[in-house]
This record gives sequence, C-alpha cells and structure tokens, in this order.
Amino acid sequence: GQNIDQPTEMTATEGAIVQINCTYQTSGFNGLFWYQQHAGEAPTFLSYNVLDGLEEKGRFSSFLSRSKGYSYLLLKELQMKDSASYLCAAMDSNYQLIWGAGTKLIIKP
Amino acid sequence: DADVTQTPRNRITKTGKRIMLECSQTKGHDRMYWYRQDPGLGLRLIYYSFDVKDINKGEISDGYSVSRQAQAKFSLSLESAIPNQTALYFCATRDLAGDTDTQYFGPGTRLTVL
Repeated sequence: GQNIDQPTEMTATEGAIVQINCTYQTSGFNGLFWYQQHAGEAPTFLSYNVLDGLEEKGRFSSFLSRSKGYSYLLLKELQMKDSASYLCAAMDSNYQLIWGAGTKLIIKP
Repeated sequence: DADVTQTPRNRITKTGKRIMLECSQTKGHDRMYWYRQDPGLGLRLIYYSFDVKDINKGEISDGYSVSRQAQAKFSLSLESAIPNQTALYFCATRDLAGDTDTQYFGPGTRLTVL
C-alpha cells in the first residue's frame, strides 16, 4: 500500500533550527511536496523536490533521497509565525498526491 | 480577492439531508480537486476534474458526487449526509505550467452532520 510517515508533533525554540522528517512508500514516484497549514486555514505550498538533493528557499530548505524514500524540511531562524502543521505529500505513478497526516510544529519563545 | 473560494464556510446539517458545497476559482486552472481532512489523517482525495465535465473518483468517493459545469466551478454534493462525513472539506486547483506543480487550496468548509 501507499504510505507517508511523519512525526505527529515537534517543539522548537524561537531562533533555532528544526528538521521535520518524512518517509514515503508509493507505487511509482513523481515528486515530494511540503505544504504549511496554520490552524484553521488552508494548506499553502512550500516546496517540490523531484531530484535528489537539497533545495533552499530562504529560511526553508527541503531535501530528498529517492533511494531511501526519505525527505526532510529544514526550517532555520525559527519565528513564532512558523508555528503550524507541515504536510508532506508524495506524488505516485498516477500523478496523484498521497498526503501524510502532518507534523504540528510548536515554537516556544 | 481570494483566488479559490468555498461556500459555505461552516455548515451544520442533519443525517439524511442533501447538501452541496461550492468551489469557485479565478486562477484559470483546468484541474480541480475536492479533499476532506480529518484529525490525525492526511488529506484524502474525494473527486477530481481535469476539465469541464471531466469527473474522476478519488480514494474516498462513496457517498459523494461532484459537478463541473464550468472551468471556474466545481461543486461537491452529499446526497444523504451521515455523521462520519463530518470533516473539514477543501477544494483545490492545480497549476502545472512549466516546471510548476502547485495546488492552491480554498479556505475550507467545516461540515458537521448530526
């Protein structure tokens, strides 16, 4: 079956760095996505990786290892507004997204 | 103005009632999706459409139906609502232009079935 695993909840301190991991198993693979979702709001796109390696975009970076079925989202210089859920999603052979349950990130002062 | 809108934003209904959730977009995207989100679960795909009058079942289509009569509108219906359809429902469009693959979500409809 198809499956996405990511931690349910993480806590980090303002100004620090946090890494949110995601492992996936899909029938076929056409890319890995990260979305941010603030409580009660819609998910918003953060990143898309289709090749192995690290993609950096400001304070956020996303890494992909296709051979390991693994990705992580790295958030630097954490700000209180980064408190949100982070959704990992893998695109399968039919180009449909399989979504993880999300990681709730709590930022403490 | 928001690019993807959903109405209503909140709805409480009773078991057995028919209910329609509306989604409109001004982004000009051909692909549209309906998802539901439940606590502790990932977004699950209900139905999707690649163009006007094109309808495709997703992972959990039973108990739901959709209509795509115009590029900008994609509506979701629950013919006879049941309590386990209580959830947060999101509509999304998908942009596949160039190297992009991004889904744009509406603000969500919180549905409660009593």
